[in-house]
Amino acid sequence: DGGITQSPKYLFRKEGQNVTLSCEQNLNHDAMYWYRQDPGQGLRLIYYSQIVNDFQKGDIAEGYSVSREKKESFPLTVTSAQKNPTAFYLCASSIGSGMYEQYFGPGTRLTVT
Amino acid sequence: DQQVKQNSPSLSVQEGRISILNCDYTNSMFDYFLWYKKYPAEGPTFLISISSIKDKNEDGRFTVFLNKSAKHLSLHIVPSQPGDSAVYFCAASALEYGGSQGNLIFGKGTKLSVKP
Repeated sequence: DGGITQSPKYLFRKEGQNVTLSCEQNLNHDAMYWYRQDPGQGLRLIYYSQIVNDFQKGDIAEGYSVSREKKESFPLTVTSAQKNPTAFYLCASSIGSGMYEQYFGPGTRLTVT
Repeated sequence: DQQVKQNSPSLSVQEGRISILNCDYTNSMFDYFLWYKKYPAEGPTFLISISSIKDKNEDGRFTVFLNKSAKHLSLHIVPSQPGDSAVYFCAASALEYGGSQGNLIFGKGTKLSVKP
C-alpha cells in the first residue's frame, strides 16, 4: 500500500531536548513538506524539499531543522530553540512542486513540558 | 496578513441539505486552488481542486466554484451527510510565488457539522 507514514503518533519531551519526527513515503514523490497546525489555525509551512539533498525554509522555520538524504525520508528535528514546540506536526508529499495535490501523513502530536 | 481567508469558523447544516463553504484570497498570482477535509488528530485528505483557467469543477457530491474577479471560491456539498462533518481547509498555490514554486497557502479552516 502506498502512503505516507509518520511516527510516533504521540510524542512527549522535556523542555530543552531536541526531538526528531519521522516521515517516510513510498509514493515515489519528489517533493516533501512539513507543516505545523495549532488550535484554530491553518497549516503553516515549516520546511520543504523539492528534491533529494535540497530543502528550503518555509514560513516558520526558526527552531527547526531537516534533512533529505533519501527520496523516501524527510525527518524534522524540533530543537530546543523552538519557543512553542507543542503542536500537531504534519508531513506531506507531492509528485512535484507546483500544481500538484499534496498528500498528508497521519500527523504527530508533540507535547513539550 | 492572511492571503487565504475562511471567514466562517463553523457551519451547521441539516443532513440532505446543501453545505456551502467559502474561501477568499488576496494574491492574484494564485492559480491553483484545493480543498482538504480533516478529521481530528488525522492528516488532511485531498477533496477537490480547480485551476484558475476554470470556474467550476465537479466530483460526485462535491463542486468547487471559482470567481477570479472576486477572488473567491466556494465548495458545495450536495447532499450533505453526517460523515461529512469535519474541518475543511481551502488552500492556494502559485507556480511562481516568492520563489517557493507552488507551495500551498492554507486558510484557517471551517468546521462543518452535518446534523442527522
